[in-house]
Amino acid sequence: AQSVAQPEDQVNVAEGNPLTVKCTYSVSGNPYLFWYVQYPNRGLQFLLKYITGDNLVKGSYGFEAEFNKSQTSFHLKKPSALVSDSALYFCAGSYQLTFGKGTKLSVIP
Amino acid sequence: EAQVTQNPRYLITVTGKKLTVTCSQNMNHEYMSWYRQDPGLGLRQIYYSMNVEATDKGDVPEGYKVSRKEKRNFPLILESPSPNQTSLYFCASRRQFYPTDTQYFGPGTRLTVL
Repeated sequence: AQSVAQPEDQVNVAEGNPLTVKCTYSVSGNPYLFWYVQYPNRGLQFLLKYITGDNLVKGSYGFEAEFNKSQTSFHLKKPSALVSDSALYFCAGSYQLTFGKGTKLSVIP
Repeated sequence: EAQVTQNPRYLITVTGKKLTVTCSQNMNHEYMSWYRQDPGLGLRQIYYSMNVEATDKGDVPEGYKVSRKEKRNFPLILESPSPNQTSLYFCASRRQFYPTDTQYFGPGTRLTVL
C-alpha cells in the first residue's frame, strides 16, 4: 500500500523567492510519485513524476522535484516564484494514484 | 486533441433524483477512474476500471455505481443522490499496462445535491 502526505495546508511566498511545497510518502516497494497543479475553476494538470533514476526531476513551468529516499520525501520546488504559480498543488502516488490533501500556494506580489 | 471530457460541468439536483455524469476519452486508454474532491480531503478515488467490463471499488464507493461497456466511456451513476455527495468530481484515464504513465484528468463536474 502507498500513501502520501502534504504537511502544509498553505504556503505563502514572495514573488521572486524560491518556493517549496512538501510531500512525504509511505510505500512498500518502488514509489511512483507525481505532482499535479489545479488552478482556480480548472481541472488537474500534470507537472512531473518520479519513477526511477535521477533524484531530481524536472517538469513543466520551471518546476522540479527532489526525490529523497532516506527522508521518504518528494518536495516540489521552483527557484523563483511567479504570481501566476498561485494554485492548489497535489502530490500523488502509487498505481491507483492516491492523493495528498493538497497545498494551497499563494505567491505575494 | 487528446482529452478527457465530462458532462455536465455543473449540476444542481435534489435528493433522490437519479443522475449520470458521463466521461469519455479519445486516447484509447484502458484504465479509467473517478475521483471526488472535497476541501481538506484532497482527491479520493470512487471507482476505477482496468478495461471494458472490469470495474472495481476505490476508497469511497458508497452511493455510486459505474459501468464500462465501451472502452472510451466510463459513466458515474448516482442512483439516489444525497447532500453528502455534493462535491467536485473528476474522471481520469491512462494506459493500463503502464502504471507509471501520467493520468489525464477531465475538467471536472461540480455537483450540488439539495
